[in-house]
Amino acid sequence: AQKVTQAQTEISVVEKEDVTLDCVYETRDTTYYLFWYKQPPSGELVFLIRRNSFDEQNEISGRYSWNFQKSTSSFNFTITASQVVDSAVYFCALSDDKIIFGKGTRLHILP
Amino acid sequence: GAVVSQHPSRVICKSGTSVKIECRSLDFQATTMFWYRQFPKQSLMLMATSNEGSKATYEQGVEKDKFLINHASLTLSTLTVTSAHPEDSSFYICTGVGGMNTEAFFGQGTRLTVV
Repeated sequence: AQKVTQAQTEISVVEKEDVTLDCVYETRDTTYYLFWYKQPPSGELVFLIRRNSFDEQNEISGRYSWNFQKSTSSFNFTITASQVVDSAVYFCALSDDKIIFGKGTRLHILP
Repeated sequence: GAVVSQHPSRVICKSGTSVKIECRSLDFQATTMFWYRQFPKQSLMLMATSNEGSKATYEQGVEKDKFLINHASLTLSTLTVTSAHPEDSSFYICTGVGGMNTEAFFGQGTRLTVV
């Protein structure tokens, strides 16, 4: 069965600190996609990244980076030099035949 | 990039009435549309999966007679909340997918308040 676990419910860090959001997933499929989305207070989901199960290369996009470890079924997300505007809820999601979301991590960046 | 346009963004309705939410895929054909519901400070819970031209597949615990989903074309899917009650107040969001394991495009969401 599909499952996405984001064990961190809420994290608070001071601005400019680095922060890592954890995501662990379960699936029986060998072909699947993993996503990260940001949900600011406005409610819209902002797409951050999609990674397919065959591509284990880590990715960096500006202050954001993602570490995909198939051996541990994890797809962690790191924000470097955090900013107040990064405050939001972040969801990790898994897609094989349907898209399932983790419970989200509420991130507070304190000025 | 591709867009899913969801309307209305906010709706307030009286208890017992029905509300229709539309999701249109722009610039791509959404062969599959997923519908989610999100209660305050909770995750997005999948309600149903609809494929164009087929009946929707509902997740366990979701009443198919209450949440009517229509996916009559590759660019339009609708969710109708029938006989709405205050406990149906939630944030509803759709996502369109163009094919197996391709990128999912989310609508902007609809905040439904039933009074």
